[in-house]
Amino acid sequence: KQEVTQIPAALSVPEGENLVLNCSFTDSAIYNLQWFRQDPGKGLTSLLLIQSSQREQTSGRLNASLDKSSGRSTLYIAASQPGDSATYLCAVKKIKAAGNKLTFGGGTRVLVKP
Amino acid sequence: NAGVTQTPKFRVLKTGQSMTLLCAQDMNHEYMYWYRQDPGMGLRLIHYSVGEGTTAKGEVPDGYNVSRLKKQNFLLGLESAAPSQTSVYFCASSPRLLANTDTQYFGPGTRLTVL
Repeated sequence: KQEVTQIPAALSVPEGENLVLNCSFTDSAIYNLQWFRQDPGKGLTSLLLIQSSQREQTSGRLNASLDKSSGRSTLYIAASQPGDSATYLCAVKKIKAAGNKLTFGGGTRVLVKP
Repeated sequence: NAGVTQTPKFRVLKTGQSMTLLCAQDMNHEYMYWYRQDPGMGLRLIHYSVGEGTTAKGEVPDGYNVSRLKKQNFLLGLESAAPSQTSVYFCASSPRLLANTDTQYFGPGTRLTVL
C-alpha cells in the first residue's frame, strides 16, 4: 500500500527566505506526483505536476524535483512572500491506478512572516 | 464556468441523523471523488465514480454511501452520523483520459460537525 509522508508538518520562515518542503513515498511505481496548495477554508489548487520520467518541473518561483528511486520529491519556493502562507500537499498517482486515484500526504502548513 | 461546487458549506448534525452532501461539476468530467480531510492526515478517499451510474469504494468507505445518477452530480450520504465523521469533506472531478497536465479539480469543501 502506497504511503505518502510530509515532514515537517508545519514550518515558519521570515519573508525572503527560501522554502524547502519534503515529500516521501513508499512505492516507486508511480505515474506522476503533484504538489497542491490549500488556503484556509478552501479547496486544493494544483501547483506542479511531475511525470515519473521527469526529474523536475518549474513554474515561476516554484521548482519541484522528483527522485523516484529514493521515493522523494522536494518543492522549493524561492524568496518566500507572506502570500505563500498556506498548506502544501503532495500526492502520487500509481501506475494504472483505477479511476486516476491519488494518494495524499498529510501536508506541510507554511507561515511566512513579514 | 463554476468548476466544482459543493452544497452545503457548513452543517452541524446530531449523532444518528442523516444528511446528503451534493457535489456538482460543469466541466463534463467522467470521474468524480469524495474525500475527507482530518487534521494532519491529508485527504483520504471515501468513494469515487468513473462514470454515470457507477461507484466504487475508496480507502475509508464505511458509514458512507454515494450515488452518481447524473454525470455532473455526485452525492455523498451519511445514513446515521457519528462523531467520528466530523471532518471537512471535499469533492473533486477529473477527465477520464489524463493529458500530461490534467489533474483533479477540487470543490471548496463542506465542514461537517457531528455532536
